[in-house]
Formats: sequence, structure tokens, C-alpha cells
Amino acid sequence: EVQLLESGGGSVQPGGSLRLSCAASGFTFSSHAMSWVRQAPGKGLEWVSSISNSASGSNYADSVKGRFTISRDNSMNTLYLQMNSLRAEDTAVYYCAKDQWWHNYWGQGTLVTVSS
Amino acid sequence: DIVMTQSPDSLAVSLGERATINCKSSQSVLYSSNNKNSLAWYRQKPGQPPKLLIYWASTRESGVPDRFSGSGSGTDFTLTISSLQAEDVAVYYCHQYYSTPYTFGQGTKLEIK
Repeated sequence: EVQLLESGGGSVQPGGSLRLSCAASGFTFSSHAMSWVRQAPGKGLEWVSSISNSASGSNYADSVKGRFTISRDNSMNTLYLQMNSLRAEDTAVYYCAKDQWWHNYWGQGTLVTVSS
Repeated sequence: DIVMTQSPDSLAVSLGERATINCKSSQSVLYSSNNKNSLAWYRQKPGQPPKLLIYWASTRESGVPDRFSGSGSGTDFTLTISSLQAEDVAVYYCHQYYSTPYTFGQGTKLEIK
């Protein structure tokens, strides 16, 4: 059974940093691209970033480019999102999702709140 | 960026009746390599992550009931629920994966009439 379990969310002040993790199981992690998608409270879905299976390539939404870094550890079956210079508008539930195009598996999400 | 616009924003349909949600992209999402449209549909129930229903505009994900169908090409797409069930009350999103930044429609809230 495919499972994606996010962690690392929490409350942080503007300008602060957080590192999200997504532990994957039930599939060959190193064979699949992975993505982060976020959802602000009461709002729609926003793609944040994707990374290739080998970590050789990654893409970012303009809204996070230069502040967020996606990475992965295939030996640990774990996806990461390093978030720096956080802003109030980054407040959202962050979902880890399998693959880069359509997402047939999602984690339950981790809430990031940026507030002073 | 490709802008995805869904219509309507909300929809109320009686149980057993047909529900139709539209999605329009600001440019074609036809992937020339396989002549398929890079368009997916998701259903999101409150407090849950999205669930994939359809990809390549019309391919139903494994395990998804056949009352869900997707159609369209180029820039205009439709998700149809042939006979609405109570568990279909949710917000539905279209999603283009043709080019980054990948983008979603604003969502359509489906309720029971």
C-alpha cells in the first residue's frame, strides 16, 4: 500500500524557516518524480515544486523560487522541502504527492502557519 | 502561465442526476508526443487530500467508479458524473500538467439539491 507521510509543519514568524519531510513507502521511491502542492486555508490547490526521480532536475512556482528548495534522499525514501524567508502568504497545508504530472497518491498534509 | 478556469463555481444537483463541470485552459494542453491532453481531474472532500479521478483528460484512474468520465481536447474539457451519489459532494479541480508552472482550476463545489 502506498503511503506518504508529511511532517515538519508548524508555526513560524515571517522571515523564518521550516523543513518539511515526506516519508514514502509502498512503491519504488527512486523510480518516481515527486511533488509538493499546497492549499491555503479555504482556498484552492497550488503546485509548489517537483523533483525528478534521480534529483537531477527540479521546478518551482514563481511564488517560491529562490526561497524554497526541494530535495530527496532515495536511500531513505524521503522527500524534503526547505522553506526559507517565509511569508504570511505561505500559510497553507502542504501536501506531498507522488509523480510530477498527475498525482494518484497524496499525503494527508502538514500545516504551515506563518504569523507574527 | 496556463490559466485554468472552471465553471460553474458551484453546482447543486439532485441525487441520481447528471453533474457536469467545465474547465477551460488559456492555451492548448495537447501533448504532441502522444496526442493526448495533459489534463487531470480531482475530487476533494472536506479535510481530505485530493483524490485523482481522471488523467490524460479521459483516462479513469484505477478504482474510480465508471459514473465519472472526462472529455474534451485542446482548451475545453468536461468532467461528467452520470448519476450523482451522496459521496460525490466535494470540490472538484482540473489540473494541467502540460507545462510548468503546473496549474489548477479554482475549484467547483458540488452539492446535493
